[in-house]
Amino acid sequence: DQQVKQNSPSLSVQEGRISILNCDYTNSMFDYFLWYKKYPAEGPTFLISISSIKDKNEDGRFTVFLNKSAKHLSLHIVPSQPGDSAVYFCAASGLGGATNKLIFGTGTLLAVQP
Amino acid sequence: SAVISQKPSRDICQRGTSLTIQCQVDSQVTMMFWYRQQPGQSLTLIATANQGSEATYESGFVIDKFPISRPNLTFSTLTVSNMSPEDSSIYLCSAQSGRQQYFGPGTRLTVT
Repeated sequence: DQQVKQNSPSLSVQEGRISILNCDYTNSMFDYFLWYKKYPAEGPTFLISISSIKDKNEDGRFTVFLNKSAKHLSLHIVPSQPGDSAVYFCAASGLGGATNKLIFGTGTLLAVQP
Repeated sequence: SAVISQKPSRDICQRGTSLTIQCQVDSQVTMMFWYRQQPGQSLTLIATANQGSEATYESGFVIDKFPISRPNLTFSTLTVSNMSPEDSSIYLCSAQSGRQQYFGPGTRLTVT
């Protein structure tokens, strides 16, 4: 059972425009959400996170929105740059216990066209 | 944040052999994790490496196949034992800082 889903395997955007990456989750116990960017042959790089007590978090060109009632979060990148081309993973944690185990989505490949 | 290095970065191994992957963190961390990313798939947690105690394995992963060591707060190893082609994956370690996890560059393993 996929608890964190990214339904769009790929997205293509023009440079300078907005990129919107979406993520849905099923478990209402999740209380912390993260976005990672991954280039080929590298490990995932932490981008931005949001706690379930908030509905928006912004860091430079990156903004994450959380809609708890819809169990949906999105990552907005404005303006998009060619260097943003990578696979983006959303992840969720908060299922309890001593660890902050992360459950990852399947990823969305973003291509920013110059 | 934490800076994490892994060795080796890649390897090609024969079926039936074992490979030990090393993970080094530049600061002391309580929790370290090992993940696997099979071709075209997402990251799947193998186990949580706890310093001073046995690793905690996720469903579908067992200690005999993936023994883990955590001798101190900056280092961990993952061994992939008795390898088969199905073990061909990228193996990643991560360290927890606050509620974030920071990842190493990964080890690309090919089993022939």
